[in-house]
Amino acid sequence: DQQVKQNSPSLSVQEGRISILNCDYTNSMFDYFLWYKKYPAEGPTFLISISSIKDKNEDGRFTVFLNKSAKHLSLHIVPSQPGDSAVYFCAASAPFPYNTDKLIFGTGTRLQVFP
Amino acid sequence: EAQVTQNPRYLITVTGKKLTVTCSQNMNHEYMSWYRQDPGLGLRQIYYSMNVEVTDKGDVPEGYKVSRKEKRNFPLILESPSPNQTSLYFCASSLRTSESQSYEQYFGPGTRLTVT
Repeated sequence: DQQVKQNSPSLSVQEGRISILNCDYTNSMFDYFLWYKKYPAEGPTFLISISSIKDKNEDGRFTVFLNKSAKHLSLHIVPSQPGDSAVYFCAASAPFPYNTDKLIFGTGTRLQVFP
Repeated sequence: EAQVTQNPRYLITVTGKKLTVTCSQNMNHEYMSWYRQDPGLGLRQIYYSMNVEVTDKGDVPEGYKVSRKEKRNFPLILESPSPNQTSLYFCASSLRTSESQSYEQYFGPGTRLTVT
């Protein structure tokens, strides 16, 4: 059973426009959410995170929104740049004692930003 | 430079031939983990280690072994590889999770394994 879901396997956006990547989760015990970015032939790299006590976290062009009642989070990239083209993974974790330091990952969304 | 290293990066082997993928981190992290990435399945945890000599199973541990004799190293061992273990493997490390806050994990570059 997939506890973290990214229902869009791919997304194509024009340079300069907004990219919105979505993620849904089913486990109400999750209290920390992260986004990772992955380029081909490289490991995932941390992008941005949000705690469940917040509904928004912003870092430069990247903003993550959390809607706890809907069990939904989204990553907004504004403006999108060609270098943002990568696979984006959503991940979640639960607090102690439910947590075993484990991140539960979604299946990823491939973002392509074209000129 | 803070990093997680894995070796080898690419490996083609045959069914049943034991292999080890090494993982090393230089950030003095307590927590280390192995994941495999497969199309349509995302990243799934194989094994993890909370500290030296403390390891436990993740979601897909069958066919794998690990050891944590030193803080910096966390090798992944396939005693008898099978074709269904063909995958992209990632090692990751992080500071120990506190009771109220998780820490982001740092990933190695990946090892692409093909078992024929």
